[in-house]
Order: sequence, then structure tokens, then C-alpha cells
Amino acid sequence: ELKVEQNPLFLSMQEGKNYTIYCNYSTTSDRLYWYRQDPGKSLESLFVLLSNGAVKQEGRLMASLDTKARLSTLHITAAVHDLSATYFCAVDPAFLNNDMRFGAGTRLTVKP
Amino acid sequence: DGGITQSPKYLFRKEGQNVTLSCEQNLNHDAMYWYRQDPGQGLRLIYYSQIVNDFQKGDIAEGYSVSREKKESFPLTVTSAQKNPTAFYLCASSTSMNTEAFFGQGTRLTVV
Repeated sequence: ELKVEQNPLFLSMQEGKNYTIYCNYSTTSDRLYWYRQDPGKSLESLFVLLSNGAVKQEGRLMASLDTKARLSTLHITAAVHDLSATYFCAVDPAFLNNDMRFGAGTRLTVKP
Repeated sequence: DGGITQSPKYLFRKEGQNVTLSCEQNLNHDAMYWYRQDPGQGLRLIYYSQIVNDFQKGDIAEGYSVSREKKESFPLTVTSAQKNPTAFYLCASSTSMNTEAFFGQGTRLTVV
């Protein structure tokens, strides 16, 4: 059974600081996704990582994937308040099965 | 505009009632999913469908049923057998390749 673990689950940081969220998974997969969820809202797709070594950046967020280590990271650079949200990683366990599994989420609060 | 639409946004159910949540997409996606999210928690997969007239159970299918008679539609019925149905329900869809999932706005179900 595929397990997806994120850490930390809660993260409070000050504006301007850097931090990394980690996503570990237990089964071979080369497809990983990062989503953002604002309180009471749906999920917004941030990044799609489709191969080992993939790195994608959008603004102050950068995501990477190491399929050998079964690890993805979401790095936050010079955080701003607008980044406050819950971030989820999700993993597809096999190429043909579309039963994506989500981590528990990291609730990020950026304080001024 | 292409997208995925869930209705209703809020739904109240009496004890012992069955209720059906609607999910429609016009993205021409083959795969569709239902997730449940409890407060402060991640997403748990209820059911998914890779193609019309076929669907598979996810991690928490008990007390739920689905149908996939049309490519565009994947309704979820919460039956009276689901003992704790109060939650936020999210529907998603994706293509069968490069399966980034797109989410609807969610239905918040409350048992009264």
C-alpha cells in the first residue's frame, strides 16, 4: 500500500525566511504533484513532477523530485504572507492506475 | 470555459437519508475521482473511475456508491450506511496520461 508522508505538518515562519517541506512516499513512482489549498477552498495545482531530478519553480516556490530516494521537496524562498495555506503532495503509485494518494498536508502560516 | 463543477456547494442530510453529490466536467478527461477531507486532515480517496462504465474503490469506499454512465459525470451517493458523513467532498478529474488532477470547488456535507 502506498504511503505518503509530509513533514512538517504545521509550519509557522516569518516573512523573508526560507524553509523546505518534505514529502516521502513508500512505493516506486515517477509522478508527483504539489497542490495548494486555502481555508474552505478547493485545491489548486502548483507543480507536476514527472521524472527523476525534475525541478520546477514558480515565484518563491521551487519543487524537486528524487525518485530514487522517494522524496520530493517544496522550497519556500523569502516567504510572504500570501503564501499562507495548506500544501499537499500527491503521488501516483503506477503509470496506468490513476488512484493518486495524498499526504496529510503542511499548514503554512507566514507571519509579518 | 473548461472546468469541473460540483453541486451543491452546501448540503444538509438527515440521519438515515441517502444524498447524491454531483460532479460534472467538460475537460474531456477520462479519469475522475472522489475524495473526502475532514477538518485539518488530508484527502482520502473514496472512489475513482478511469473510464466510462468502470470504477474502483479507494481507501474509504464503505457507505458510498458511484456511477459513471457518461464521461462527463461521476455522481457520488452517500448512503445511510456511512455513519460519519459530515465532511468536505472534493471531485477531481484528469487525463489518462500526465495525470495532473483538476479539482472542483467541493461540497460541504453536514448531517443534521
